[in-house]
Amino acid sequence: QLQLQESGPGLVKPSETLSLTCTVSGGSISSSLYYWGWIRQPPGKGLEWIGSIYYSGSTLYNPSLRSRVTMSVDTSKNQFSLKLSSVSAADTAVYYCARLEGYSRSSLDVWGQGTTVTVSS
Amino acid sequence: DIQMTQSPSTLSASVGDRVTITCRASENVSSWLAWYQQKPGKAPKLLIYKASNLKSGVPSRFSGSESGTEFTLTISSLQPDDFATYYCQQYNHYVTFGGGTKVE
Repeated sequence: QLQLQESGPGLVKPSETLSLTCTVSGGSISSSLYYWGWIRQPPGKGLEWIGSIYYSGSTLYNPSLRSRVTMSVDTSKNQFSLKLSSVSAADTAVYYCARLEGYSRSSLDVWGQGTTVTVSS
Repeated sequence: DIQMTQSPSTLSASVGDRVTITCRASENVSSWLAWYQQKPGKAPKLLIYKASNLKSGVPSRFSGSESGTEFTLTISSLQPDDFATYYCQQYNHYVTFGGGTKVE
């Protein structure tokens, strides 16, 4: 059964770069059937899609975050990653990785458990 | 950007009630609409995709429908496990979520 697990620092200083990795187990990230994505949820608020990536490296980013987001994939490790630069307190959130069915913009059918990232000095 | 407006933001209901949650898109999203259930401290769970398709394993008391740019999630008979927050998501143009509806 497919599982996703986020990992990375739980505390990031303002103006620095947030870096997270999602490890996929129980299936291959190189499947042609799926994209992989990042979603975040600030404390007490709703969900925000950050972006999606294909195993080939093709990406689609949220226009509101595009200037600060870089996503990458490592098929040898079955992982994909997120980098968000120039962070501020507004980037404090639970960050989820998830699988998208078929397209870079699709429903998200498998989710990681989420990891909390706090931006603070 | 396509805005997704959910209503109500909070809904008070009892076990056995029929519950309806509405999501209105600011422009046409065709049927590219999904519904999720989220419980406190947990990741969202996909319930319905492409407006009315029930994900495998999701109880049949959940259903989705659409009328133009208005989408509805219905729980036919609310169960104790259904008290949660529900989100809609459009994926016709990029991806955006509604603000959520808490069923309490």
